[in-house]
Amino acid sequence: EAGVTQFPSHSVIEKGQTVTLRCDPISGHDNLYWYRRVMGKEIKFLLHFVKESKQDESGMPNNRFLAERTGGTYSTLKVQPAELEDSGVYFCASSLGAARVAFFGQGTRLTVV
Amino acid sequence: DAKTTQPNSMESNEEEPVHLPCNHSTISGTDYIHWYRQLPSQGPEYVIHGLTSNVNNRMASLAIAEDRKSSTLILHRATLRDAAVYYCILPPANSGGGADGLTFGKGTHLIIQP
Repeated sequence: EAGVTQFPSHSVIEKGQTVTLRCDPISGHDNLYWYRRVMGKEIKFLLHFVKESKQDESGMPNNRFLAERTGGTYSTLKVQPAELEDSGVYFCASSLGAARVAFFGQGTRLTVV
Repeated sequence: DAKTTQPNSMESNEEEPVHLPCNHSTISGTDYIHWYRQLPSQGPEYVIHGLTSNVNNRMASLAIAEDRKSSTLILHRATLRDAAVYYCILPPANSGGGADGLTFGKGTHLIIQP
């Protein structure tokens, strides 16, 4: 069974540009989460989807970040415009129903120059 | 949210048991205790979770103190592949389970010597 898949694995963009990260959760998982670790800091929660609905977006840093999950399958996280402080690793995770086990992807390393 | 305290780092020898402690003195009666780990260049990986009773799975065991103010993750026979940062996490009270709103903290960096 395929795990959580994230694309791309690495992205280098210039400040002011737009980047879109994609996450494919484990098939059938209704819960999808985004986390990130910016340089030198701890892993931080961004938001939680249940199917296509945003259940909790309390961790989204500002309105430059837009997450979508149309159709309740894969999700995208768009950063527009990107700033230097957005550099870090963005992780996606998924889980099934009320299960306490969550599965994380390998992450997307974003570098803004 | 209840906070956890873990040592910054621990060192162990290969093929020996490892006991990773976690203090959570402000834990409430309904707080679960979750453990995740992060291997180098990987995403976090679920290890185990528990509420009151000790728990075992293929990866590890979780020993929870009777007053629930502390817990210990036990790796019965550490291998080099177990070198990682281990996170003891108490999900928020309103968490719907899974990875909703987890606070990872700094974790314990486990070093395994061959």
